[in-house]
Amino acid sequence: NAGVTQTPKFRVLKTGQSMTLLCAQDMNHEYMYWYRQDPGMGLRLIHYSVGEGTTAKGEVPDGYNVSRLKKQNFLLGLESAAPSQTSVYFCASRLAGATKNIQYFGAGTRLSVL
Amino acid sequence: AQKITQTQPGMFVQEKEAVTLDCTYDTSDPSYGLFWYKQPSSGEMIFLIYQGSYDQQNATEGRYSLNFQKARKSANLVISASQLGDSAMYFCAMREGPGWRGGSNYKLTFGKGTLLTVNP
Repeated sequence: NAGVTQTPKFRVLKTGQSMTLLCAQDMNHEYMYWYRQDPGMGLRLIHYSVGEGTTAKGEVPDGYNVSRLKKQNFLLGLESAAPSQTSVYFCASRLAGATKNIQYFGAGTRLSVL
Repeated sequence: AQKITQTQPGMFVQEKEAVTLDCTYDTSDPSYGLFWYKQPSSGEMIFLIYQGSYDQQNATEGRYSLNFQKARKSANLVISASQLGDSAMYFCAMREGPGWRGGSNYKLTFGKGTLLTVNP
C-alpha cells in the first residue's frame, strides 16, 4: 500500500534555482493538495486540484505553480526559489464526495533554500 | 480570528495515563467536520479520528476518542493508556461545509498543534 508518495524527501536549493516536487497517489483520489508547514504555523494550503487538468490557488500560492496532467500525479514547482520558501512540503489526497473527506498525506519534502 | 485554536503548545503525560488535547473551533456553517492528525518525529501526517457536526455520538478509534461539545465548539482528543509511541505533535483540523459537496469545503484548516511527550 503505497498511498501518497512524495519525491524527493530532502532538497537544498540556492536562491533563484528552480525545482519540481512530485506527488503520486495510487488510491484513485480525485482531490489533491499541496501544503507547507512552517514552525508554529500548522499547515497552510498552497494549491489544490479537484481533478485531472484542474488546479486552483489556496491560502499561500505566491511563488509556486502546479500541474495535474494525470489523475495520480500532482506537481509543485518553484520557478525561482527564495529563502522564504524554506519549509516542509506535504502533499495530500482524498476522494471527492466522500462524507468524511479524510485527507491522506505523504511523508513530506524538507526543502532548504540558501 | 483563528478558526482552529489549540491552546496547549506542549503537554506531558506519564505512560499508561490518559491525556486530553484541547481544540476549539470557530465556524458559522452548521455542517462541518473535525479531524485529528498525529505527526511523529519522522514527519509524516497520520489521520487519527473524525467527527462530523451531525454525528450523534462522540467518535472513537481504539485508544483515541473525541470529546465533542458542539455548544462550546470544542473537539478535544482523548488518548487513553498513553504509550511512549504516542509522543508526537497533534493537529486539530476542520472542514467547513458538508463532506459530499465540492467547492469551498475543499480545504482543511489546521491548528498550530500540540506537542505531546509521554514519559516512562
